[in-house]
Formats: sequence, structure tokens, C-alpha cells
Amino acid sequence: DTGVSQDPRHKITKRGQNVTFRCDPISEHNRLYWYRQTLGQGPEFLTYFQNEAQLEKSRLLSDRFSAERPKGSFSTLEIQRTEQGDSAMYLCASSRPGLATDTQYFGPGTRLTVL
Amino acid sequence: ELKVEQNPLFLSMQEGKNYTIYCNYSTTSDRLYWYRQDPGKSLESLFVLLSNGAVKQEGRLMASLDTKARLSTLHITAAVHDLSATYFCAGIYGGSQGNLIFGKGTKLSVKP
Repeated sequence: DTGVSQDPRHKITKRGQNVTFRCDPISEHNRLYWYRQTLGQGPEFLTYFQNEAQLEKSRLLSDRFSAERPKGSFSTLEIQRTEQGDSAMYLCASSRPGLATDTQYFGPGTRLTVL
Repeated sequence: ELKVEQNPLFLSMQEGKNYTIYCNYSTTSDRLYWYRQDPGKSLESLFVLLSNGAVKQEGRLMASLDTKARLSTLHITAAVHDLSATYFCAGIYGGSQGNLIFGKGTKLSVKP
């Protein structure tokens, strides 16, 4: 049973460029979450999908951020016109509701550095 | 809005000693989770606590939940170096559909 995978693992970009990250959840997990984690902090929720529907978005998700999950499987997170403040670890998690615990399993993350 | 506070934020222990990490949350949380994160790595699920009085144990770690006090604890027994990591607790706000609200984490360092 493979875990959550994310690609790329590291991304260095210049301010103003667009970047896109991909997340592949655990198969049969129909919920997918994006979080952002900065140094010394806990992860902060960004957005959440159930199947292909984006059901919840955080106030942190400015209009420069967009996420999709077109076929209810993998998801992409795009950041347009990156800023230095976007530098962080972007974590993806998936879960299968219906279980009492509904544990979210996290991927390895994509570390973004904006120069 | 759910807020989660952990203390201490930093903990330096000697091997063989016991200690407890505290997690307070501000309002009702449907479930309470504990995760471990090693430097530069992602989060690993440790425990899920579902109800008042719940206690879960795995090796040298034991987690408990008191919903009346809005408090969860992670107790470390006879610490070993391999337990060095950052530990996060997280709750779920009842009005959300599952996004976790994390504490700032407790960075544990176990020294020989």
C-alpha cells in the first residue's frame, strides 16, 4: 500500500514566477487536503477536496493560489506570481472518511524557496 | 474557532527520564490527533483519541484525552534518543469537514 506522494520534493523559483505542485493520495482515499508549514510552526490548512469537489478553502488561500483535483485522484496546487512569503513546506494529506478515526496521512511535502 | 496550544515548545530530556507534553484546545474538538515529525520529513500519525477518557499507548508513548478539561497529554516513559522529534497535537473544529488545526509543536531532544 503506497503512501501519499508529492512532486517535486524541492522547488526553487524566482519571485514573480508561477509554480505547480502535484499530490497523489493513497488509492481509495477520496479526501485530499493541502497544508502549508513554515519553520517552527505547525501545518496550516489551505484547502480540501472530497473527490473532485473543492469543499473548503482557508482565508490563507489568496487569489494567487489555486488547487484542482480534476478526476478525483491526484491534485495540483498552483501559486501564481510567487512572493518570498510563499516560501514554505507544502504538505498534502489524504483520508478515507467512514472510518471513526478518519486519520489524515501526510505526504513527504514540497519545499518551496522563493528567491 | 478552534485554537490549539502545546507546552512546552522545547523539551530537553535525558535518556531514561519521564515527561509529559500538554495540549490544550479552546473549543469542542471531534477528535484529537498526535503526530510526529522528524527534521525535514513529513508527519507520521501516532494516535487518534475519540472520546473523553480515551487512552492509547504505543511503546514508550501514551496519549490521553480529557474533553471536559479540553486537554490531551502525551506521556513519554523512559525516553530514548530515537524519540527525538517534534510532536504535534491537532484537533478538528466541529464546524469544519475535517481540516486539522495544529499546535505549534513540541521539539523534543533526548540526550544520552
